[in-house]
Amino acid sequence: GAGVSQSPSNKVTEKGKDVELRCDPISGHTALYWYRQSLGQGLEFLIYFQGNSAPDKSGLPSDRFSAERTGGSVSTLTIQRTQQEDSAVYLCASSVDRGRYQETQYFGPGTRLLVL
Amino acid sequence: ELKVEQNPLFLSMQEGKNYTIYCNYSTTSDRLYWYRQDPGKSLESLFVLLSNGAVKQEGRLMASLDTKARLSTLHITAAVHDLSATYFCAVDRAAGNKLTFGGGTRVLVKP
Repeated sequence: GAGVSQSPSNKVTEKGKDVELRCDPISGHTALYWYRQSLGQGLEFLIYFQGNSAPDKSGLPSDRFSAERTGGSVSTLTIQRTQQEDSAVYLCASSVDRGRYQETQYFGPGTRLLVL
Repeated sequence: ELKVEQNPLFLSMQEGKNYTIYCNYSTTSDRLYWYRQDPGKSLESLFVLLSNGAVKQEGRLMASLDTKARLSTLHITAAVHDLSATYFCAVDRAAGNKLTFGGGTRVLVKP
């Protein structure tokens, strides 16, 4: 079946511009996660959505970062006023919601963001 | 704060030989994951380890978990070139449902 999909696959933007990254989770997966992978920081958790609960935003690095999940499916990660240190690969993952304990997270191909 | 450390960071392997990657974590966790990442690709799930003493095997890879020692190992038997990749362990805290990753082990298998 279809896996997690992300778009765009690559994004080059100028410093100070806003960007939107999209994630389509696996059908039927109610838990959705965003992570960031960069050379300096490795793989970092950003935000987690579980069903209709309030998202866990504890990993967002600044208030320039925000995310939404519409209709319990597609999610958009928005970075406002991008900075060069935002350059990274942004990975989305989804999993089956088993309540307190989640199943394996399946990752999308990522969006490679380069801020010039 | 949960910390996850992997070692070694880089492993040059000879085909046919056996190797082990270690993953230590700092606080109690409910489950541990191993992922593989090929260059320019996303993360592929390899194993989920749920309890103390858990052992899982797939092909030439075998993962084990010792929750008392807060240690997981990924053992590679008779390495082959196709196993060249970066391997990550990740720990899932029950209260957070978010993964904390180790720094990764880059594996290069040479003929």
